[in-house]
Amino acid sequence: EVQLVESGGGLVQSGGSLRLSCGASGFTFSDHYMDWVRQAPGKGLEWVGRTRNKANSYTTEYAASVKGRFTVSRDDSKNSLYLQMNSLKTEDTAVYYCARATIKPYYMDVWGKGTTVTVSS
Amino acid sequence: DIQLTQSPSFLSASVGDRVTITCRASQGISSHLAWYQQKPGKAPKLLISGPSTLQSGVPSRFSGSGSETEFTLTISSLQPEDFATYYCQQLNAYPVTFGGGTKVEIK
Repeated sequence: EVQLVESGGGLVQSGGSLRLSCGASGFTFSDHYMDWVRQAPGKGLEWVGRTRNKANSYTTEYAASVKGRFTVSRDDSKNSLYLQMNSLKTEDTAVYYCARATIKPYYMDVWGKGTTVTVSS
Repeated sequence: DIQLTQSPSFLSASVGDRVTITCRASQGISSHLAWYQQKPGKAPKLLISGPSTLQSGVPSRFSGSGSETEFTLTISSLQPEDFATYYCQQLNAYPVTFGGGTKVEIK
Protein backbone atom coordinates (compact mmCIF):
# COMPACT_ATOMS: atom_id res chain seq x y z
CA GLU A 1 0.00 0.00 0.00
CA VAL A 2 1.28 3.42 -0.96
CA GLN A 3 1.55 5.46 2.22
CA LEU A 4 2.99 8.66 3.67
CA VAL A 5 3.15 9.22 7.42
CA GLU A 6 4.13 12.56 8.92
CA SER A 7 5.55 13.05 12.39
CA GLY A 8 7.30 15.67 14.49
CA GLY A 9 4.54 18.21 14.97
CA GLY A 10 3.90 19.87 18.30
CA LEU A 11 3.79 23.09 20.28
CA VAL A 12 6.71 25.48 19.91
CA GLN A 13 7.30 29.08 20.92
CA SER A 14 7.61 31.87 18.42
CA GLY A 15 11.20 32.05 17.19
CA GLY A 16 11.79 28.39 17.83
CA SER A 17 12.56 25.49 15.53
CA LEU A 18 10.93 22.19 14.65
CA ARG A 19 11.75 19.36 12.26
CA LEU A 20 8.98 17.42 10.58
CA SER A 21 9.50 14.00 9.05
CA CYS A 22 7.52 12.06 6.47
CA GLY A 23 8.05 8.35 6.01
CA ALA A 24 7.14 6.81 2.67
CA SER A 25 6.29 3.23 1.81
CA GLY A 26 4.77 1.21 -1.01
CA PHE A 27 6.49 3.01 -3.89
CA THR A 28 9.94 3.91 -5.19
CA PHE A 29 10.48 7.04 -3.12
CA SER A 30 13.66 8.05 -4.91
CA ASP A 31 11.87 8.44 -8.25
CA HIS A 32 9.50 11.15 -7.07
CA TYR A 33 9.53 14.84 -6.34
CA MET A 34 8.06 15.44 -2.87
CA ASP A 35 6.14 18.37 -1.45
CA TRP A 36 5.05 19.94 1.81
CA VAL A 37 1.66 21.66 1.93
CA ARG A 38 0.10 23.31 4.96
CA GLN A 39 -3.34 24.38 6.08
CA ALA A 40 -3.88 26.95 8.81
CA PRO A 41 -6.94 26.42 11.04
CA GLY A 42 -10.11 27.11 9.04
CA LYS A 43 -8.12 28.23 5.99
CA GLY A 44 -7.24 26.90 2.57
CA LEU A 45 -4.25 24.97 1.30
CA GLU A 46 -0.84 26.62 0.99
CA TRP A 47 2.09 24.99 -0.78
CA VAL A 48 5.25 25.23 1.31
CA GLY A 49 8.05 23.68 -0.70
CA ARG A 50 9.31 20.90 -2.94
CA THR A 51 12.37 18.74 -3.36
CA ARG A 52 13.16 17.23 -6.70
CA ASN A 53 14.68 13.78 -7.10
CA LYS A 54 18.31 12.73 -7.47
CA ALA A 55 18.08 12.88 -11.27
CA ASN A 56 17.31 16.58 -10.82
CA SER A 57 20.02 17.15 -8.22
CA TYR A 58 17.66 17.29 -5.27
CA THR A 59 17.00 20.94 -6.03
CA THR A 60 14.32 22.71 -4.01
CA GLU A 61 11.62 25.35 -4.41
CA TYR A 62 9.87 27.35 -1.68
CA ALA A 63 6.93 29.62 -1.09
CA ALA A 64 7.96 33.20 -0.41
CA SER A 65 6.38 33.04 3.05
CA VAL A 66 8.89 30.40 4.22
CA LYS A 67 11.93 30.98 2.05
CA GLY A 68 15.05 31.44 4.16
CA ARG A 69 13.37 29.95 7.26
CA PHE A 70 12.29 26.47 6.12
CA THR A 71 14.37 23.78 4.43
CA VAL A 72 13.02 20.75 2.59
CA SER A 73 15.34 17.76 2.41
CA ARG A 74 15.16 14.04 1.82
CA ASP A 75 17.03 10.83 2.55
CA ASP A 76 16.31 8.32 -0.18
CA SER A 77 18.11 5.57 1.76
CA LYS A 78 15.52 5.98 4.52
CA ASN A 79 12.53 6.73 2.26
CA SER A 80 12.09 9.92 4.24
CA LEU A 81 11.24 13.55 3.60
CA TYR A 82 11.99 16.33 6.06
CA LEU A 83 10.95 19.90 6.74
CA GLN A 84 13.29 21.90 8.97
CA MET A 85 11.42 24.94 10.26
CA ASN A 86 13.39 27.75 11.90
CA SER A 87 12.42 31.20 13.17
CA LEU A 88 8.84 30.03 13.54
CA LYS A 89 6.05 32.59 13.62
CA THR A 90 2.51 32.30 14.97
CA GLU A 91 1.26 32.38 11.36
CA ASP A 92 3.10 29.10 10.70
CA THR A 93 0.50 27.36 12.88
CA ALA A 94 -1.08 24.75 10.61
CA VAL A 95 -1.52 21.14 9.73
CA TYR A 96 1.46 20.16 7.59
CA TYR A 97 0.99 17.52 4.90
CA CYS A 98 3.62 15.76 2.88
CA ALA A 99 2.62 14.79 -0.62
CA ARG A 100 4.08 12.75 -3.44
CA ALA A 101 4.29 14.36 -6.86
CA THR A 102 3.43 12.28 -9.90
CA ILE A 103 6.14 11.60 -12.44
CA LYS A 104 5.87 14.68 -14.69
CA PRO A 105 3.76 16.81 -14.62
CA TYR A 106 4.14 16.65 -10.86
CA TYR A 107 0.62 16.75 -9.48
CA MET A 108 0.24 15.71 -5.82
CA ASP A 109 -1.33 12.28 -6.01
CA VAL A 110 -0.58 10.77 -2.58
CA TRP A 111 -0.94 12.64 0.71
CA GLY A 112 -0.18 11.87 4.31
CA LYS A 113 -2.71 12.49 7.08
CA GLY A 114 -0.81 15.52 8.32
CA THR A 115 0.91 16.63 11.50
CA THR A 116 -0.11 19.67 13.52
CA VAL A 117 2.30 22.48 14.32
CA THR A 118 1.24 25.14 16.82
CA VAL A 119 3.42 28.20 17.33
CA SER A 120 2.64 30.17 20.46
CA SER A 121 3.53 33.76 21.19
CA ASP B 1 2.91 34.67 -8.48
CA ILE B 2 -0.04 33.16 -10.34
CA GLN B 3 -3.29 33.79 -8.50
CA LEU B 4 -6.18 31.35 -8.81
CA THR B 5 -9.66 32.68 -8.14
CA GLN B 6 -12.37 30.12 -7.49
CA SER B 7 -16.06 30.86 -7.73
CA PRO B 8 -18.28 30.49 -5.96
CA SER B 9 -16.53 30.21 -2.61
CA PHE B 10 -19.61 28.58 -1.15
CA LEU B 11 -22.28 26.53 -2.86
CA SER B 12 -25.45 25.03 -1.43
CA ALA B 13 -26.93 22.23 -3.55
CA SER B 14 -29.16 19.18 -3.37
CA VAL B 15 -28.42 15.56 -4.11
CA GLY B 16 -28.81 15.03 -7.85
CA ASP B 17 -27.96 18.62 -8.78
CA ARG B 18 -25.43 19.50 -11.48
CA VAL B 19 -22.68 21.61 -9.96
CA THR B 20 -20.03 23.70 -11.69
CA ILE B 21 -17.04 25.34 -10.02
CA THR B 22 -14.85 27.82 -11.88
CA CYS B 23 -11.16 28.52 -11.40
CA ARG B 24 -9.60 31.55 -13.09
CA ALA B 25 -5.86 32.06 -13.34
CA SER B 26 -4.24 35.50 -13.29
CA GLN B 27 -2.16 34.48 -16.30
CA GLY B 28 -2.09 31.61 -18.76
CA ILE B 29 -1.12 28.27 -17.28
CA SER B 30 -1.62 26.06 -20.32
CA SER B 31 -3.23 22.85 -19.04
CA HIS B 32 -1.23 22.61 -15.81
CA LEU B 33 -4.16 22.58 -13.43
CA ALA B 34 -5.49 20.03 -10.96
CA TRP B 35 -8.57 19.72 -8.77
CA TYR B 36 -8.56 18.34 -5.23
CA GLN B 37 -11.36 17.34 -2.89
CA GLN B 38 -11.00 17.73 0.85
CA LYS B 39 -13.38 16.50 3.51
CA PRO B 40 -13.26 17.85 7.09
CA GLY B 41 -10.29 16.56 9.06
CA LYS B 42 -8.91 14.68 6.07
CA ALA B 43 -6.07 15.20 3.63
CA PRO B 44 -6.84 16.50 0.14
CA LYS B 45 -7.45 13.96 -2.59
CA LEU B 46 -6.40 14.46 -6.20
CA LEU B 47 -9.50 14.22 -8.41
CA ILE B 48 -8.58 15.56 -11.81
CA SER B 49 -5.37 16.72 -13.44
CA GLY B 50 -4.21 18.19 -16.66
CA PRO B 51 -7.13 19.56 -16.44
CA SER B 52 -9.50 16.82 -17.61
CA THR B 53 -7.83 13.52 -16.65
CA LEU B 54 -9.79 11.69 -14.00
CA GLN B 55 -7.67 9.94 -11.40
CA SER B 56 -8.13 6.21 -10.95
CA GLY B 57 -11.16 5.44 -8.81
CA VAL B 58 -12.78 8.85 -9.18
CA PRO B 59 -16.42 8.53 -10.28
CA SER B 60 -17.24 9.55 -13.83
CA ARG B 61 -19.75 12.14 -12.59
CA PHE B 62 -16.70 14.36 -12.04
CA SER B 63 -15.24 16.11 -15.08
CA GLY B 64 -12.83 18.95 -15.73
CA SER B 65 -12.20 21.25 -18.64
CA GLY B 66 -10.49 24.46 -19.66
CA SER B 67 -7.15 25.87 -20.61
CA GLU B 68 -4.90 28.88 -20.08
CA THR B 69 -6.90 31.09 -17.68
CA GLU B 70 -10.34 29.52 -17.24
CA PHE B 71 -11.11 26.06 -15.91
CA THR B 72 -14.19 24.29 -14.62
CA LEU B 73 -14.93 21.31 -12.41
CA THR B 74 -18.35 19.80 -12.97
CA ILE B 75 -20.19 17.23 -10.89
CA SER B 76 -23.00 15.96 -13.10
CA SER B 77 -25.20 14.57 -10.34
CA LEU B 78 -24.19 15.48 -6.80
CA GLN B 79 -24.03 12.56 -4.38
CA PRO B 80 -24.01 12.68 -0.56
CA GLU B 81 -20.31 11.78 -0.46
CA ASP B 82 -19.45 14.76 -2.68
CA PHE B 83 -20.15 17.34 -0.02
CA ALA B 84 -16.67 18.70 0.62
CA THR B 85 -14.35 21.57 -0.21
CA TYR B 86 -12.78 21.65 -3.66
CA TYR B 87 -9.50 23.36 -4.55
CA CYS B 88 -7.85 24.06 -7.87
CA GLN B 89 -4.05 24.13 -8.11
CA GLN B 90 -1.65 25.34 -10.78
CA LEU B 91 1.74 23.79 -11.48
CA ASN B 92 2.70 25.89 -14.48
CA ALA B 93 5.14 28.01 -12.50
CA TYR B 94 6.65 28.30 -9.06
CA PRO B 95 5.41 28.99 -6.53
CA VAL B 96 2.74 26.35 -6.84
CA THR B 97 -0.55 27.99 -5.87
CA PHE B 98 -4.02 26.87 -4.84
CA GLY B 99 -7.34 28.55 -5.29
CA GLY B 100 -9.19 29.70 -2.19
CA GLY B 101 -11.54 26.73 -2.23
CA THR B 102 -15.23 26.10 -2.88
CA LYS B 103 -17.24 24.57 -0.06
CA VAL B 104 -20.13 22.46 -1.32
CA GLU B 105 -22.84 22.01 1.30
CA ILE B 106 -26.17 20.24 1.44
CA LYS B 107 -29.21 22.39 0.71
